[in-house]
Amino acid sequence: SQQGEEDPQALSIQEGENATMNCSYKTSINNLQWYRQNSGRGLVHLILIRSNEREKHSGRLRVTLDTSKKSSSLLITASRAADTASYFCATFFTDKLIFGTGTRLQVFP
Amino acid sequence: DSGVTQTPKHLITATGQRVTLRCSPRSGDLSVYWYQQSLDQGLQFLIQYYNGEERAKGNILERFSAQQFPDLHSELNLSSLELGDSALYFCASSVGFLAGNEQFFGPGTRLTVL
Repeated sequence: SQQGEEDPQALSIQEGENATMNCSYKTSINNLQWYRQNSGRGLVHLILIRSNEREKHSGRLRVTLDTSKKSSSLLITASRAADTASYFCATFFTDKLIFGTGTRLQVFP
Repeated sequence: DSGVTQTPKHLITATGQRVTLRCSPRSGDLSVYWYQQSLDQGLQFLIQYYNGEERAKGNILERFSAQQFPDLHSELNLSSLELGDSALYFCASSVGFLAGNEQFFGPGTRLTVL
């Protein structure tokens, strides 16, 4: 079964608004990553946060990690229509990267 | 463009048949990963090869097999195909052997089994 469950499954917002996606996982992790997938295309790595880190920023992206709650969140600030995509969290432990179910984000101009 | 190439882009075949999907990793990457993405199962890790050797196995069926060649390209063989094997198959690559490194994904092969 998949390691990560994401919430919400789908999210629709207007350009300029912030988008927040949450990921919960079940076991210990070494790191957690977020990937983006445009419709039917390959995944693109966004950001990696290690298990001993609590927050990380990259451009308009902010990721938090709470290992005590086994959860992470991805915040996209000042969203753009080009951010429309599916976003997946992926957890790494031991020898595999396991992907969550994904959040489908739609940003309307 | 991630630098990872996959062929073919689309494949349509019949149940019971066998197909081979091909992947060339980014220049310098020694690890290759195979994933299956379907609507009901999501994105599932199948198998990883590192420098020609199998490194980790996920939810790969016995009907499926893979290998990585000396030039580091990889092939995923799917046999006795069933309708449920219809999916997007992605290859990814990374520099080292740890799956927790950033992975670079190819554009995928869409397999349709009729």
